[in-house]
Amino acid sequence: QKEVEQDPGPLSVPEGAIVSLNCTYSNSAFQYFMWYRQYSRKGPELLMYTYSSGNKEDGRFTAQVDKSSKYISLFIRDSQPSDSATYLCAMSPDRGSTLGRLYFGRGTQLTVWP
Amino acid sequence: DAGITQSPRYKITETGRQVTLMCHQTWSHSYMFWYRQDLGHGLRLIYYSAAADITDKGEVPDGYVVSRSKTENFPLTLESATRSQTSVYFCASRLDRGREKLFFGSGTQLSVL
Repeated sequence: QKEVEQDPGPLSVPEGAIVSLNCTYSNSAFQYFMWYRQYSRKGPELLMYTYSSGNKEDGRFTAQVDKSSKYISLFIRDSQPSDSATYLCAMSPDRGSTLGRLYFGRGTQLTVWP
Repeated sequence: DAGITQSPRYKITETGRQVTLMCHQTWSHSYMFWYRQDLGHGLRLIYYSAAADITDKGEVPDGYVVSRSKTENFPLTLESATRSQTSVYFCASRLDRGREKLFFGSGTQLSVL
């Protein structure tokens, strides 16, 4: 079993829809949770970052962490065609560990059509 | 150019050949990383470096060699390329140990025939 599980999709929604992206994980030591967005033929870029459980909102994006269920989510409100990308969850047991390793999900491919 | 740049963008090679992928960053970030991205596996860490002349293995280091003689450069060498090393390779950097954000390059798409 992979430490981080993420449904690869693809997910296709109409413009304006609310999108829900999710990851589950097995390592209870994970405390730092991130969402990266990756456009086609580009490197991933950090979209959201949260520590421990709770919610974090940034514009149309909301990141949610439920450590008791080992489940994290990213919600996109009023989705736009420009949101079409692959979204990768990532997590780490500590802040900037010596190994520097982030544990990534496989990514979910999202298409928002006009 | 500012940021993190990878070269070449695309590379085709044959099995058994040596290939070097280049990574250069202009931020003077301490940490640099090499990941490979494959369908079904996501991003996997190959090697990382905490500073010049300090490197260590990641999750999938076999068949790869790295060096870091200068802070800004972190080349990845496939000593004898195999078909299983066909992948998209991403270089990334991070300011220091206490920062979470990774900055990624645009990737090198490598095909080993």
